[in-house]
Amino acid sequence: GAVVSQHPSRVICKSGTSVKIECRSLDFQATTMFWYRQFPKQSLMLMATSNEGSKATYEQGVEKDKFLINHASLTLSTLTVTSAHPEDSSFYICSPRGQEANYGYTFGSGTRLTVV
Amino acid sequence: GESVGLHLPTLSVQEGDNSIINCAYSNSASDYFIWYKQESGKGPQFIIDIRSNMDKRQGQRVTVLLNKTVKHLSLQIAATQPGDSAVYFCAENTGGFKTIFGAGTRLFVKA
Repeated sequence: GAVVSQHPSRVICKSGTSVKIECRSLDFQATTMFWYRQFPKQSLMLMATSNEGSKATYEQGVEKDKFLINHASLTLSTLTVTSAHPEDSSFYICSPRGQEANYGYTFGSGTRLTVV
Repeated sequence: GESVGLHLPTLSVQEGDNSIINCAYSNSASDYFIWYKQESGKGPQFIIDIRSNMDKRQGQRVTVLLNKTVKHLSLQIAATQPGDSAVYFCAENTGGFKTIFGAGTRLFVKA
């Protein structure tokens, strides 16, 4: 159980463009979605938390207008990096959580974003 | 904000030896702790977890110890194998909400 699909695995985009990352929970309903960012040789830092059908809650220092999160369904959430800049280059990882999934939280396989 | 820290950023062990990875956490209200393994370019993979009402939990070749008095976690890997080489993160969770990660320890297994 708790199968997560995250796409794309890698993306290269030009500075100023937007990139959308998808995260799907394949065998459970994700009532909550956590989005993390990981810079090289660093830990995962929580960016935002979203509940299905509600606006996301962003961690301190994360720009909500830059990192748009949509969680319109219980199986899909998207993170859009708008007007991307080289400093946004990072590894983005989703972690969906369902009401039944109380243990061993699952993560997506991550998206390596490179902004050139 | 709150963070979970690690004592050792890198650990090198001989194949077949036991590995011990340590972690200190800061939030005394955390009630659930998880160890993750992350290989290069991949998302974190669940290894083992422990709730705050326990002080030890064993899995296959892995054991997690929790010392709430000093807010310390450790992950013990028995008979370490080359496939265990990765970065290991401890993570804490409070009340089933968001999970906060520690800094990570890179484990090198020498053949």
